[in-house]
Amino acid sequence: EAAVTQSPRSKVAVTGGKVTLSCHQTNNHDYMYWYRQDTGHGLRLIHYSYVADSTEKGDIPDGYKASRPSQENFSLILELASLSQTAVYFCASRQGANERLFFGHGTKLSVL
Amino acid sequence: GDSVTQTEGPVTVSESESLIINCTYSATSIAYPNLFWYVRYPGEGLQLLLKVITAGQKGSSRGFEATYNKETTSFHLQKASVQESDSAVYYCALGAITGNTGKLIFGLGTTLQVQP
Repeated sequence: EAAVTQSPRSKVAVTGGKVTLSCHQTNNHDYMYWYRQDTGHGLRLIHYSYVADSTEKGDIPDGYKASRPSQENFSLILELASLSQTAVYFCASRQGANERLFFGHGTKLSVL
Repeated sequence: GDSVTQTEGPVTVSESESLIINCTYSATSIAYPNLFWYVRYPGEGLQLLLKVITAGQKGSSRGFEATYNKETTSFHLQKASVQESDSAVYYCALGAITGNTGKLIFGLGTTLQVQP
């Protein structure tokens, strides 16, 4: 079973601070994704990557940067955290574009 | 645009009762959409429950079933007899069969509470 590990599991950040969410997968999957979930919304795609050293914008990239330094690692960076970025963030990976997604447990981010 | 609409929760049912969670989709930019149900149990990440890639086909897993109906653009999730362990959040999702993105479009999620 593919394993996707997110860290931290929860975080409290201050407005204007920098936040880095990390994701690590151990199954050599090509594709990695960052989604966020808020009350009243389904999971929405922030950034994704299908190869190391390259990232792509998803549907709601504003205010976020992503980094894929290796096939296994995919980070989401909030340079200037804002209240509106309070949400649960999910990382996911998959081997091919139409294969099943494997999700991490999620990171609950609270920006105060 | 592309979207997914599903039953608004929470849905509360008693153990051994039947369940249906409605899901309808709009796939205006996806020629051959795949349809999925994902489930998130308490304290865990989302995991695939079932997937159907061909219209008219039915998927099943863990006693759950869903039929891909292209005419009504629906993919309702059903179970004849729920168990307390089925309590979770269920997400209907729509995806493209080709392309580099491999993006899934998710519904809001439906929280299911099964009472003993």
